[in-house]
Amino acid sequence: DVVMTQSPLSLPVTLGQPASISCRSSQSLVSSDGNTYLSWFQQRPGQSPRRLIYKVSKWESGVPDRFSGSGSGTDFTLKFSRVEAEDVGVYYCMQHTHWPYTFGQGTKLEIK
Amino acid sequence: EVQLVESGGGLVQPGGSLRLSCAASGFTFSSYWMTWVRQAPGKGLEWVAYIKPDGSENSYVDSVKGRFTISRDNAKNSLYLQMSSLRAEDTAVYYCGRRGGMDVWGQGTTVTVSS
Repeated sequence: DVVMTQSPLSLPVTLGQPASISCRSSQSLVSSDGNTYLSWFQQRPGQSPRRLIYKVSKWESGVPDRFSGSGSGTDFTLKFSRVEAEDVGVYYCMQHTHWPYTFGQGTKLEIK
Repeated sequence: EVQLVESGGGLVQPGGSLRLSCAASGFTFSSYWMTWVRQAPGKGLEWVAYIKPDGSENSYVDSVKGRFTISRDNAKNSLYLQMSSLRAEDTAVYYCGRRGGMDVWGQGTTVTVSS
């Protein structure tokens, strides 16, 4: 199985400051069709997860542009240009190139 | 509005069975791969199974193979997960989702396996 490793697992951030989360996969996520199926999800406290980014860097409809995704191959990053209070929650990367699809352990973002 | 609504969770004894349902609305259900993902209490997310749009193909994570069966009824816009030989480690919130990319999630239904 592809292992997805996120860091850090805890991310205390000051409001208005930038932040980033790293996600590394144990093998390349480039699919045979040339796409890289790496997504990022946000799970606010008490809510279902919500997809923010798909195919590494494409925004889901309605997602603020202060979130951005980048990376290739096995190394990926979710960046926040400036953290807002509503961003508190757990963030997961997920690959759906190789079955079984797998998630990272999650990164808990909190406000300092 | 695109929506997924799960139901069927509850408390069940180890070794017991349960059938989860997911009602889809707001999109052409029969055109999409559908999935089940679970989240144990205080833990991360784990894929459980997926099924092809016409139901002809499915796949399961190793931990549920032979015990869980994913199915769908496109006429009823519904997805199902039949769970049997349940274990304590199957205790989780179960989410249904659209596509392999999980672009739409339901609110989840809670399954508790305990004596």
